[in-house]
Amino acid sequence: EAGVTQFPSHSVIEKGQTVTLRCDPISGHDNLYWYRRVMGKEIKFLLHFVKESKQDESGMPNNRFLAERTGGTYSTLKVQPAELEDSGVYFCASSQSLGETQYFGPGTRLLVL
Amino acid sequence: AQKVTQAQTEISVVEKEDVTLDCVYETRDTTYYLFWYKQPPSGELVFLIRRNSFDEQNEISGRYSWNFQKSTSSFNFTITASQVVDSAVYFCALNTGGFKTIFGAGTRLFVKA
Repeated sequence: EAGVTQFPSHSVIEKGQTVTLRCDPISGHDNLYWYRRVMGKEIKFLLHFVKESKQDESGMPNNRFLAERTGGTYSTLKVQPAELEDSGVYFCASSQSLGETQYFGPGTRLLVL
Repeated sequence: AQKVTQAQTEISVVEKEDVTLDCVYETRDTTYYLFWYKQPPSGELVFLIRRNSFDEQNEISGRYSWNFQKSTSSFNFTITASQVVDSAVYFCALNTGGFKTIFGAGTRLFVKA
C-alpha cells in the first residue's frame, strides 16, 4: 500500500511568488491534515479535511495560505504571495478516522528567498 | 491546554549505549493517544508507536521500548544498544481523539560510531 506522497520535495522561490504544494493521502483515508515545521520549532497543525470539507483551519497563519481538496482525494496548499517567514517544511498526513494514527508524507521543504 | 514537552534538545551517545528520550505531556482529557515519530536525515516522519491512555503497559519492539506512566504524565522512549542508523530527530506527540496532533519540539539524537 502506498504511503502519503507529497510534491515537490523541495521548492525554492523568491518573496512575492506563488507556490503550490500537493499531497496525495493514503487511499481510503478520508482525513487529511497539513502541518508545518518552521526551522527548529515544533511541528504545528495548519488544517484538517474530511473528504473535501475543511473541518478546521485554525492553524493557518494568514489569508496568504489557501488549501483545497477538490473531490476529496488529493489536496493542494497554495501560498500566495510567499514571504520569508513561510520557509519551512510542510507535512501532509492522513488517517482513516479521527484519533487514529496520522501517517505522514515526506514533507515539502520550502525556502523563500 | 494541551502540551508536549521534550526537554532534551540534543543527545549524543556512542554506539551501543542505551539512551532514553523523555516526553512529558499535559491534557485534561481522560481519553488521549500518545505517539512517537522518527525523522531521519532524509526528512520523512516515520510512525513508531501509538499508545492510548487506558493502556499503561510498557511496550518493547526490538531495541525500542516505551514507558508510559500516567502518574507522571510521561511517555519515555528508550533505545537499547544504539546504532548509527538511530541518529534522527524524535518527536513525541499527543492527540485527544480529534483532528489535531500536538507535537513536542523534538529531540535530536546523534549516535557516534
